[in-house]
Amino acid sequence: GQNIDQPTEMTATEGAIVQINCTYQTSGFNGLFWYQQHAGEAPTFLSYNVLDGLEEKGRFSSFLSRSKGYSYLLLKELQMKDSASYLCAVPLNYGGSQGNLIFGKGTKLSVKP
Amino acid sequence: EPEVTQTPSHQVTQMGQEVILRCVPISNHLYFYWYRQILGQKVEFLVSFYNNEISEKSEIFDDQFSVERPDGSNFTLKIRSTKLEDSAMYFCASSGPEGDNEQFFGPGTRLTVL
Repeated sequence: GQNIDQPTEMTATEGAIVQINCTYQTSGFNGLFWYQQHAGEAPTFLSYNVLDGLEEKGRFSSFLSRSKGYSYLLLKELQMKDSASYLCAVPLNYGGSQGNLIFGKGTKLSVKP
Repeated sequence: EPEVTQTPSHQVTQMGQEVILRCVPISNHLYFYWYRQILGQKVEFLVSFYNNEISEKSEIFDDQFSVERPDGSNFTLKIRSTKLEDSAMYFCASSGPEGDNEQFFGPGTRLTVL
């Protein structure tokens, strides 16, 4: 089966850098996603990693180590609007299925002035 | 920019009643999904749909749930006899021809069962 662990809450200061970790155990591996979810809203896609290493996209970067079952999301130059939950997700790995996502419980990030 | 839309945004119903939640996926997408999120809990996969049939479903998606693509644009989730524990935010999502990368989520329907 699939299991995803990430911290429940984090707090950081505006302008700072924060790293949100995610560990996963899966029966197979078909990539790892990070989504952002503001309270009361839908998840929005941030990143997808399938190979080891760091993927940078503006202020957000995502890292993957398949051998360690580990990923992190790095947010730089934090802004107040980055206050949200950050969801780590992996696709189910059934046969020919396409991307049915299993989500972690999410990390609620609070950015303080 | 194309987006997934869902109606209604809020639905209140009595226990035992049937509800239909509607979604219009992005027009050139081929894979469709329903997820739910009970207040304060994680997003949970319900069902995926491809080529006019269910491709995968979770243990949550029991006989009281069904999905349909009645025409070329709508994708619906029906709950036959609602229970109190069905109260949740229901998200529709769709993804493109490859199907295994970015899923675009709709804004959700908040279902409240009384």
